[in-house]
Amino acid sequence: NAGVMQNPRHLVRRRGQEARLRCSPMKGHSHVYWYRQLPEEGLKFMVYLQKENIIDESGMPKERFSAEFPKEGPSILRIQQVVRGDSAAYFCASSNARASVNYGYTFGSGTRLTVV
Amino acid sequence: DAKTTQPTSMDCAEGRAANLPCNHSTISGNEYVYWYRQIHSQGPQYIIHGLKNNETNEMASLIITEDRKSSTLILPHATLRDTAVYYCIVRVADNDMRFGAGTRLTVKP
Repeated sequence: NAGVMQNPRHLVRRRGQEARLRCSPMKGHSHVYWYRQLPEEGLKFMVYLQKENIIDESGMPKERFSAEFPKEGPSILRIQQVVRGDSAAYFCASSNARASVNYGYTFGSGTRLTVV
Repeated sequence: DAKTTQPTSMDCAEGRAANLPCNHSTISGNEYVYWYRQIHSQGPQYIIHGLKNNETNEMASLIITEDRKSSTLILPHATLRDTAVYYCIVRVADNDMRFGAGTRLTVKP
């Protein structure tokens, strides 16, 4: 399977706990993008990463949220001390080059985070 | 990136062509038009993109006006499985993909 893999598909956390969302890009892709979709809303860009580097985090909340894309392993979106407003679907996308016109982004199936 | 304007929702009869419009009047010369769709909370799916010329692939056709200020995505024979939210995005090649509210297309039997 060469698709973008996200896990877990569903995640339930109590308020104050930490949530870790994982994204394995398509084989050969070194660019990862995270998006958040609140219920009944469109996708909002959060962060763009290349291997070991955050390129654009203009869409990330200033507190409690962080992202990484280590040299080995998947990209991780980490939400500390979750609150009910963090309940959303989080989508990861990957591409083989940021400047590649001939490729759109390939999206994963998302992680649905529910904070109780 | 230029902003896009799309109708909030549209209906289409099964088997008929679905024509989804998008206005991007502030598009600049190096910005591409991309279309994605999202079927019921799944991850968005790439459909097609273009710069100036009309484009066609196995999923759809993209018609871009000569002044590039608007475009139309055409699904030639809509099926019930085409019911989804369709996003029109304009971006420069090296910029990130930013999604708007999209058009909710409902294909009816």
